[in-house]
Amino acid sequence: DSGVTQTPKHLITATGQRVTLRCSPRSGDLSVYWYQQSLDQGLQFLIQYYNGEERAKGNILERFSAQQFPDLHSELNLSSLELGDSALYFCASSTWDSSYEQYFGPGTRLTVT
Amino acid sequence: KNQVEQSPQSLIILEGKNCTLQCNYTVSPFSNLRWYKQDTGRGPVSLTIMTFSENTKSNGRYTATLDADTKQSSLHITASQLSDSASYICVVSRGSDYKLSFGAGTTVTVRA
Repeated sequence: DSGVTQTPKHLITATGQRVTLRCSPRSGDLSVYWYQQSLDQGLQFLIQYYNGEERAKGNILERFSAQQFPDLHSELNLSSLELGDSALYFCASSTWDSSYEQYFGPGTRLTVT
Repeated sequence: KNQVEQSPQSLIILEGKNCTLQCNYTVSPFSNLRWYKQDTGRGPVSLTIMTFSENTKSNGRYTATLDADTKQSSLHITASQLSDSASYICVVSRGSDYKLSFGAGTTVTVRA
């Protein structure tokens, strides 16, 4: 158990819908990262937040957005969902920035039908 | 072009045998290199993290090496077990902004 929690574990929704994925980092960690992993694909970095502020952006679509709240939990919002958005979405946290060890959550499996 | 290349893409080994995975990178400047193990459908778990000054690090039956001059790393698995079946991901951190570059992973299958 990494100490990073993600909810929900599974999510099934229809195309065109909007969903919110939630992540709680390890106690004391200030950075949160979001990753997407499609079937049989590698991890794709989406976005990083540090202490409530956006720190780095990766291959995140404009239909996707995220935020980190004062209690340091983070949410990833996915809108106008397409079939291709079906994937595992992982959250990771680290003490400070990405030079530090990252701890991954168990992931949320999103299925868009 | 990906800045982190891993080989082989996949391999099958018999239980009890050793294997070595390769990671070549072009990320510069270099900060650190990590190896993660990812079981199917689970989040990656860190095996080792090495900085510029470290050229070998072990974690149980896993031993990682780093040659920062040639920008190569390897992960050696000794006396493989069925539980070693997983994807192994090499991740390199850039020194200027700590941006992470991920390799595509090597899928290891250990057979009895």
